[in-house]
Amino acid sequence: KQEVTQIPAALSVPEGENLVLNCSFTDSAIYNLQWFRQDPGKGLTSLLLIQSSQREQTSGRLNASLDKSSGRSTLYIAASQPGDSATYLCAVGYNFNKFYFGSGTKLNVKP
Amino acid sequence: GAVVSQHPSRVICKSGTSVKIECRSLDFQATTMFWYRQFPKKSLMLMATSNEGSKATYEQGVEKDKFLINHASLTLSTLTVTSAHPEDSSFYICSAAHSGANVLTFGAGSRLTVL
Repeated sequence: KQEVTQIPAALSVPEGENLVLNCSFTDSAIYNLQWFRQDPGKGLTSLLLIQSSQREQTSGRLNASLDKSSGRSTLYIAASQPGDSATYLCAVGYNFNKFYFGSGTKLNVKP
Repeated sequence: GAVVSQHPSRVICKSGTSVKIECRSLDFQATTMFWYRQFPKKSLMLMATSNEGSKATYEQGVEKDKFLINHASLTLSTLTVTSAHPEDSSFYICSAAHSGANVLTFGAGSRLTVL
């Protein structure tokens, strides 16, 4: 059974800090990995998608890396802002578009 | 961009009734859609894979008679929670895959409250 773990479960930082969110997975036979953002009571917004053949993807202040052999991915957020406050979910994609989610990291960026 | 619409966004029902949630891909065809359930302060749990024109594939531990899935067209999948109980109260989210792509687009979710 695939298990996806996210650390830390919660994080509170002052505005402007750079931060790293971690995701680990047990089954390395992945097709891709996606990072999502979820605001309270809302659906999911896709942030970054990394294919299994890629090492990293960047979008603005976000950078996601993937180390398939060790079963790890990190999401780096540069110069954090209060608007970044949300829960960040890591989802590992396998064959037939089946994704398994981690439990999320709840981020609070204080002004 | 690709849009997936879920309806209703919120529904409250009495115990014993059935509730249907719709998931539509608005500007693309989706032969496969996925249904997830999210418990409070927990992550998303994959419930089932909905396949157009065939039976859904359920994950282990998900009652197929409880959660009926129908994928009658390339743009619509429905999840019916039958004989709902308070423990079925949850946030249900669907997603759809573009044909030939490994990118999932998620709906905004449907919050079900069973009284």
